[in-house]
Amino acid sequence: DIVMTQSPLSLAVTPGEPASISCRSSQSLLHSNGYTYLDWYLQKPGQSPQLLISLVSNRASGVPDRFSGSGSGTDFTLKISRVEAEDVGVYYCMQPLQIPPAFGPGTKVVIK
Amino acid sequence: QVQLVESGGGLVKPGGSLRLSCAASGFTFNNYYMSWIRQAPGKGLEWVSLISSSGYTKFHADSVRGRFSISRDNADNSLYLQMNSLRAEDTAVYYCSRGGTSEPLDYWGQGTLVTVSS
Repeated sequence: DIVMTQSPLSLAVTPGEPASISCRSSQSLLHSNGYTYLDWYLQKPGQSPQLLISLVSNRASGVPDRFSGSGSGTDFTLKISRVEAEDVGVYYCMQPLQIPPAFGPGTKVVIK
Repeated sequence: QVQLVESGGGLVKPGGSLRLSCAASGFTFNNYYMSWIRQAPGKGLEWVSLISSSGYTKFHADSVRGRFSISRDNADNSLYLQMNSLRAEDTAVYYCSRGGTSEPLDYWGQGTLVTVSS
């Protein structure tokens, strides 16, 4: 099974400042079709998770462009260019490439 | 707009059974894989089960295989999770989500809480 790890597990950020979360998979998430299957989700306090980014860097509909994803193979990064108060919550990376799909442990983002 | 509404959660004793339902609307249900994901209190997300658009192909996490069964009724736009032999460690909020293997989970329901306790 593919194991996902994230760092840091918690992050305190100042509004207007950038933030970065790292995600690593135990195996490459590159499919033979050329796509890399790594998604990012945000679970805001008291809410269901929501899709932020799919296939490493494709923002979901309605996601602000201050969110960006990058990476390849086994190493990935989610960046928030300028954190806003509404960005607090837990961020999860996930691999849907292989069964079983696997989530990272989550990174809790709070405002300083 | 896409809506996923779970129901069927509640309090059940260890060893008991429960059937969760997810009513889908706002999209062509029989075109999409569907999944169940759970979240134990204060914990992270755990994938539980997924089913192909036709219902023919199903996968379950090792932690629930042999006890849980996913199914769907495409005529009724509904997804189900039959949970048998429930254990305390199955206590969680269960989310229904559109998507599955190689697809992002692009819509999620509000979740339904399952509590397994004597």
